[in-house]
Amino acid sequence: GDSVTQMEGPVTLSEEAFLTINCTYTATGYPSLFWYVQYPGEGLQLLLKATKADDKGSNKGFEATYRKETTSFHLEKGSVQVSDSAVYFCALTNTGGFKTIFGAGTRLFVKA
Amino acid sequence: KAGVTQTPRYLIKTRGQQVTLSCSPISGHRSVSWYQQTPGQGLQFLFEYFSETQRNKGNFPGRFSGRQFSNSRSEMNVSTLELGDSALYLCASTRLSGGDYEQYFGPGTRLTVT
Repeated sequence: GDSVTQMEGPVTLSEEAFLTINCTYTATGYPSLFWYVQYPGEGLQLLLKATKADDKGSNKGFEATYRKETTSFHLEKGSVQVSDSAVYFCALTNTGGFKTIFGAGTRLFVKA
Repeated sequence: KAGVTQTPRYLIKTRGQQVTLSCSPISGHRSVSWYQQTPGQGLQFLFEYFSETQRNKGNFPGRFSGRQFSNSRSEMNVSTLELGDSALYLCASTRLSGGDYEQYFGPGTRLTVT
């Protein structure tokens, strides 16, 4: 079945450092790919998405490119802030239903 | 536009009891999905409803059930609660537009079973 694998955390960075969180997927067909963020005590917020190969999703300085050849959707940000500290989830949704498959989540800590 | 609302936000129940959680989707969204989030298993899909019909179901026992009303509000019920049912239960409503879709999540209901 479909699955998502993302790098284990926690990831600890200093403010203004470069962030990469790796994500790879296994899916039939042509899934849509997402990154969600979860702040402490809150639900999930959609951070960015890409619906087809070579699409780049971007939001709030975060970017991810849908790479079909490597089945990857890595999250990047050029300069992280303390306020980016949260758990990040890579996810996919296949057409025909509304079931999202999530990765295990990567906790990010950003130190001032 | 109001977001997805879930009630109650926190709940403490005793093993063997049953519980009902409620979710109101974003106005105009007809699909509602439910997920269970635990530290050990992560986020797992429970079921999805569209126009009062269950269209997709995850791999959970029959103790977990749900329904959707004509106004798209949804409830999920867990009967005969077990300690392992302690989790954050998230509801999501889906916007569908021209074949593209996005899920919007509520804040969740944190269920503690003692």
